[in-house]
Amino acid sequence: SQTIHQWPATLVQPVGSPLSLECTVEGTSNPNLYWYRQAAGRGLQLLFYSVGIGQISSEVPQNLSASRPQDRQFILSSKKLLLSDSGFYLCAWSVIGISTAGSTFGSGTRLTVV
Amino acid sequence: AQSVTQLGSHVSVSEGALVLLRCNYSSSVPPYLFWYVQYPNQGLQLLLKYTTGATLVKGINGFEAEFKKSETSFHLTKPSAHMSDAAEYFCAVSDRGATNKLIFGTGTLLAVQP
Repeated sequence: SQTIHQWPATLVQPVGSPLSLECTVEGTSNPNLYWYRQAAGRGLQLLFYSVGIGQISSEVPQNLSASRPQDRQFILSSKKLLLSDSGFYLCAWSVIGISTAGSTFGSGTRLTVV
Repeated sequence: AQSVTQLGSHVSVSEGALVLLRCNYSSSVPPYLFWYVQYPNQGLQLLLKYTTGATLVKGINGFEAEFKKSETSFHLTKPSAHMSDAAEYFCAVSDRGATNKLIFGTGTLLAVQP
């Protein structure tokens, strides 16, 4: 069966420090991968998605970047964190191609920038 | 372009009462619709989905939703609320493209009073 791992679960980082959040998927090949951010009262905002290795699409301009160095690995990064980067970050995957299955989510990372 | 509106950011019901969470969508193509549930500091779990066929769909934990094309709605219901239903609920529509992106509503926080 497919599983998605996301770490760390919580993170407290000072303003101006770098960030690296990692997500890996097991049990499937060539998935679509997504990074979402959830801020209080604002629902889920899609930040990045990827349909293949090295293929990254950004949905909103921001201080963050994403990379997909391997088929089932998706990394969210920042060179210098801002206070506004605080939030709950969720990684998700779906099968490739048009699908009725929806997305499967990881357990999330709570990031607090201080 | 697809969008989702969830009416009511907070809903409070008594244990044993009917749960009704509202979702209206906008879609230029026949929609794929989803309801997800999120418990505190956790990822999202799929409750149910509508893609084609029967417009009344049943999901986990006793929830169901009815797709009404004429009203562009996909409201979530449960006949009798349990304390364990307290969580945040998100309605989403798929872009039905090869990327399978989900467009989420802003969520409804359900409180269940004893």
